[in-house]
Amino acid sequence: DTGVSQDPRHKITKRGQNVTFRCDPISEHNRLYWYRQTLGQGPEFLTYFQNEAQLEKSRLLSDRFSAERPKGSFSTLEIQRTEQGDSAMYLCASSLGTGSPQHFGDGTRLSIL
Amino acid sequence: QQQVKQSPQSLIVQKGGISIINCAYENTAFDYFPWYQQFPGKGPALLIAIRPDVSEKKEGRFTISFNKSAKQFSLHIMDSQPGDSATYFCAASIKNNFNKFYFGSGTKLNVKP
Repeated sequence: DTGVSQDPRHKITKRGQNVTFRCDPISEHNRLYWYRQTLGQGPEFLTYFQNEAQLEKSRLLSDRFSAERPKGSFSTLEIQRTEQGDSAMYLCASSLGTGSPQHFGDGTRLSIL
Repeated sequence: QQQVKQSPQSLIVQKGGISIINCAYENTAFDYFPWYQQFPGKGPALLIAIRPDVSEKKEGRFTISFNKSAKQFSLHIMDSQPGDSATYFCAASIKNNFNKFYFGSGTKLNVKP
């Protein structure tokens, strides 16, 4: 299966620690998106890359959050000094371009103790 | 403020029945309306999508009805099956900006055998 891959699937950490998630998009997709999904809610947009350029960031992405996509391939999302409110499912999606559907990975579930 | 409002929150349907999920939006700039299906522990998967230049789109047992003047769209699942039991999300994307989707809050569908 060559779908969107996310790692790890689950992450449990103590409040105040830093965490990093990885997303490997579908290989020919030049667009990559990060969303956050809390229990009982739909995904909320966090940020978007076209190739290696981060073109849009949501106001939800506080300065504790940083995302990168070096070389326009995989992407990482880092959360520094985690807080209880960061507990959520972090979803990555990729697409081929404008008008193409977004394909989601199975997410990384983050739990803050 | 939620850009896309979805109802009902949960739905129970007998096998063979019709499942209907509704969404409404305010932003007339929205140009693309996908529906996603999500199973527990999985990421959302694209089910069917519509653009506002058509009033209906059908793919197999799934139909989207779109009412541009009312700014509403709905998903109809004909001959609902237990395997259709999942959470369904409607979404919308702004014209010329497929960089992010605005998702509804989801409908948990339970199809009884």
